[in-house]
Parts: sequence; structure tokens; C-alpha cells
Amino acid sequence: DAGVIQSPRHEVTEMGQEVTLRCKPISGHDYLFWYRQTMMRGLELLIYFNNNVPIDDSGMPEDRFSAKMPNASFSTLKIQPSEPRDSAVYFCASSPKTGGRVIYGYTFGSGTRLTVV
Amino acid sequence: GQQVMQIPQYQHVQEGEDFTTYCNSSTTLSNIQWYKQRPGGHPVFLIQLVKSGEVKKQKRLTFQFGEAKKNSSLHITATQTTDVGTYFCAGNSGAGSYQLTFGKGTKLSVIP
Repeated sequence: DAGVIQSPRHEVTEMGQEVTLRCKPISGHDYLFWYRQTMMRGLELLIYFNNNVPIDDSGMPEDRFSAKMPNASFSTLKIQPSEPRDSAVYFCASSPKTGGRVIYGYTFGSGTRLTVV
Repeated sequence: GQQVMQIPQYQHVQEGEDFTTYCNSSTTLSNIQWYKQRPGGHPVFLIQLVKSGEVKKQKRLTFQFGEAKKNSSLHITATQTTDVGTYFCAGNSGAGSYQLTFGKGTKLSVIP
């Protein structure tokens, strides 16, 4: 398996522009997570999906952020309009369905480094 | 909400010295996971601890889960330059939640 695939690896955009980050989870994984990593705040969970359905989006910073998962093999995180404070590394991760109460480890993608100027 | 604190934030060691990072949760955890992120890389899953007082070993790495399931530690014996990176603990509260709350990590530097 190729693992979790994210694109693009790097994105530089001007303030006010729309940015779309993409993620392909590992086939068969039921859970998909979007995290943001910054030096100041560390790894923050933005939103996660179970079987393509958003379960918890309480970490989404504001209405400028939106995420979709139209099918089991694709998810997007969109920022519109982008602002310099959105600059960060955005990771997508996926995880298999659990057999009980214990969750499995996440497999992270390589991330998208977003710079908003 | 749940908070996971990790100390120290940075640790510089001479190659061959031991290293330990500590993780504390504000709430009782269902399980805890550990990840390693190399510079410029992405977090990679190392291990999961589930039982109270559990101890697991992976070669030179020893992981412990506290009796109260609110703290954990990672100990590396005789560090090597390949151990360089940031080590994160991540807690899951259970109760139907499948999300992890990550600590801010301990960045390990190994001086050859």
C-alpha cells in the first residue's frame, strides 16, 4: 500500500486566495483525520470522519475552513479566504475500524506545508 | 477539554546517554499512543498502551502506562543519532471517541 497520500506537498498562496488540500487515505481505513501542526500550538485536530461522515469538527478554527469526504478514497480541506495565520503543516491521517473500545494507531501522510503571504 | 502535557520540551543528550520523556493527561485515558516525527517528516506510530501499569519494550525503547492511566513515559537506553526527532504522546479518552489528543512533543537532539 502506498500509505496516506497528500497533495500538494507545498503550497504558497497570497492572502485572500482559496486553498484546497487533498488526501487519499489507506484503502479500507474507516477513519480519516485532518490535523494542523504549528510550533506554537503543536498538532491540533481539525476534523475527523468515520465512513465518510464528519463526526467532530469542533477543531475547525472558523467558517473559512471546510472539509469534505465525498467517498472512501478522497478528502479535501479547503480554506477560503486564506490568511497568513493559516500558515502551517496540514496532515491527513487514517486509521482502521476498531474491533472494540481500543482504537488503532494512525498512519499519517507526508503533509502539506502551507505558506500564506 | 482533555489536555495532554509533555515534558521536557527539548532534550539534548550525548550519544550513548539515556533519554526519558513524560506525558500527563488531565483526564483518565482509555489508551495512549506514542509517535516519532523525524525532522521534516510526519508522525510515525510507535506503540499503544492500553492496560493500567502496562510496560512494553521495543529494542532500546521502553514505554510505560501509569497505574491511574493518566500518565506515561518513554525511555530510550543508550541513545543513537538515529533516535533524533520529536516524540509525541497522544491520548484517547475512549467513551466512543476515536480521536487522539497529542502532547506538544519532546524534541530530542543527540550529540555524536
